[in-house]
Amino acid sequence: KAGVTQTPRYLIKTRGQQVTLSCSPISGHRSVSWYQQTPGQGLQFLFEYFSETQRNKGNFPGRFSGRQFSNSRSEMNVSTLELGDSALYLCASSDPGGADGEQFFGPGTRLTVL
Amino acid sequence: QKEVEQDPGPLSVPEGAIVSLNCTYSNSAFQYFMWYRQYSRKGPELLMYTYSSGNKEDGRFTAQVDKSSKYISLFIRDSQPSDSATYLCAMSGSARQLTFGSGTQLTVLP
Repeated sequence: KAGVTQTPRYLIKTRGQQVTLSCSPISGHRSVSWYQQTPGQGLQFLFEYFSETQRNKGNFPGRFSGRQFSNSRSEMNVSTLELGDSALYLCASSDPGGADGEQFFGPGTRLTVL
Repeated sequence: QKEVEQDPGPLSVPEGAIVSLNCTYSNSAFQYFMWYRQYSRKGPELLMYTYSSGNKEDGRFTAQVDKSSKYISLFIRDSQPSDSATYLCAMSGSARQLTFGSGTQLTVLP
């Protein structure tokens, strides 16, 4: 089975721009979660989608949004980029029949904001 | 205070040593406990998954959870240079929302 894929792998943007990141989960997985990883804050939960609905949301400003499509692929969007948004953005998928905590991560998209 | 505390290290051991990694937590609602391994510039890889208290063994890896003490551990036996990575503990309650420790950077010296 192919793992979680994320595109693009690297991205450079300037302050004020917006960005869209994409995630394709493991085949059959319907839950997709997004995390932000920075050296200072570590890995932090952004949001989780299941069957095209956002089920959980972390403590991030409204500039961070996401969506999920009927094929379970997910996108996250960050508007009005700030320097502090530079991070590795990770997507994780999980099996609806699996345990709640068992999530499988993709390689991440490394976003640099200049 | 963070919900999950993990010693960031760095931790350096000789090849073949037993490695002990630990996390403490404060949220009593956590019932799922995971250990992830992350190599540089890669996504985290799930190593061990445990539900509630107890021990779980998988090859050279043993995970222990003590909910009464709010303490979890990962032991690596016969450590290898390929085990050099950052190890992250993670926990969740009933929601699919993981709370991570800050990670421990491990180096196994040949």
